[in-house]
Amino acid sequence: GPKVLQIPSHQIIDMGQMVTLNCDPVSNHLYFYWYKQILGQQMEFLVNFYNGKVMEKSKLFKDQFSVERPDGSYFTLKIQPTALEDSAVYFCASSLEQTNTEVFFGKGTRLTVV
Amino acid sequence: AQKVTQTQTSISVMEKTTVTMDCVYETQDSSYFLFWYKQTASGEIVFLIRQDSYKKENATVGHYSLNFQKPKSSIGLIITATQIEDSAVYFCAMREEGTNTGKLTFGDGTVLTVKP
Repeated sequence: GPKVLQIPSHQIIDMGQMVTLNCDPVSNHLYFYWYKQILGQQMEFLVNFYNGKVMEKSKLFKDQFSVERPDGSYFTLKIQPTALEDSAVYFCASSLEQTNTEVFFGKGTRLTVV
Repeated sequence: AQKVTQTQTSISVMEKTTVTMDCVYETQDSSYFLFWYKQTASGEIVFLIRQDSYKKENATVGHYSLNFQKPKSSIGLIITATQIEDSAVYFCAMREEGTNTGKLTFGDGTVLTVKP
């Protein structure tokens, strides 16, 4: 199926530092998402992005989080500054349409904040 | 608010048998889309099958099929002739037509173990 690529697969960072997670969505997709998963548990919605704007964000999407997709390149999640509780696997996803299509996920970036 | 509930935390079956995983959902929307995903041991999340709320016929893809019971807000996943490699975590998820974001809401997942 369609592939969403995430870079890097693992990232270890010191608490308080900035981290940027990169996502290359499926080429013709228009809607982009970030999800957070801790210890293989529930997939928790963070944010979705369309047409250069955040459409919806959850309470997990703290002020320290930001997303962007400059000039149609990578869709990024930036955390600045990082906190210990940000340690999780972050999944990027994309879909062609708003509701009537499947959402495809990347393999995730495992972020460890130490 | 939309909610998806998977009551089975884990299921263990013998290879080549049939397994059913339960999922119930809550929504105020009259039109919605239901999905099942599989998360493999490597962590990869793979789309398996979908059911659109307006379709009466149960979806089938390969050895995956759905048992859609709309009056009960239920969308069970049926895997026939299970294989060892079907061992994974299975997530039920929903998108509402009325949302302006396309957010996918997940259940907590069911761990399936297929034994030889």
